[in-house]
Amino acid sequence: DVKVTQSSRYLVKRTGEKVFLECVQDMDHENMFWYRQDPGLGLRLIYFSYDVKMKEKGDIPEGYSVSREKKERFSLILESASTNQTSMYLCASRSGTGIYIQYFGAGTRLSVL
Amino acid sequence: RKEVEQDPGPFNVPEGATVAFNCTYSNSASQSFFWYRQDCRKEPKLLMSVYSSGNEDGRFTAQLNRASQYISLLIRDSKLSDSATYLCVVKGTSGTYKYIFGTGTRLKVLA
Repeated sequence: DVKVTQSSRYLVKRTGEKVFLECVQDMDHENMFWYRQDPGLGLRLIYFSYDVKMKEKGDIPEGYSVSREKKERFSLILESASTNQTSMYLCASRSGTGIYIQYFGAGTRLSVL
Repeated sequence: RKEVEQDPGPFNVPEGATVAFNCTYSNSASQSFFWYRQDCRKEPKLLMSVYSSGNEDGRFTAQLNRASQYISLLIRDSKLSDSATYLCVVKGTSGTYKYIFGTGTRLKVLA
C-alpha cells in the first residue's frame, strides 16, 4: 500500500512564525502536491513538484514556499504565518505515469493565532 | 460557473437504500475522473476511477457521460459505514498536473 506520511496531525502557531510542514511518501512517486482544504472551497493546489528540486506554483502559492531536496520528501513552508492560513493541509503523491491516482496523507490541521 | 460542481447535500437515506450523486464538469477536454471518499476530519481516499465504459466495484457503480459532461456515482444497499463526503475529482488534459476537486456531496445513511 502507498503510504504518505505528514509529520503532524495538529499544529498551533502564532502569527509571524515560520512554519514547516513535512510530507514523506514511500512509493518512489515522481510527483507530489500540497493542497489546503477549507469548508465550501474544496481542495486548492498550493504547489506541485514533478521531480527533485522541481516545483510549480499552484492556484494559491502566495505566502507559501516549498522544498524538495529528496524524491520522497516534500516540505511546505509558511514564511510568516497569518491567521488566514488556518486550514487543513493535505499532501499527496502520484506516479508520473499510469492512471495518475493521487494518494493523500492524513492531513495537518494548522491553527494560526 | 465552477469547473466541477456537486450538490453539497446532505443526502439522508435509510440503510439499504440506493442513492446516486452527479457531478458536472466544465472542461470538455478533461481526461481522467475519480470519486474519492472523505470521512470527517480525515484525508480523501480513492473510491474508484471512472472509465468511459463505466465501472462497478461491489455496491458502487460509476458512469461517465462525456456528451453532457457529468459523472455519476451510484451506491446500492447503503450501509451506515457509507456515511461520508464524496468528492468528485477531474483531471485536465494529458500531461497536466492539475486536478479540480468538487466541494463534495455529504451522505448520511440512517439506521
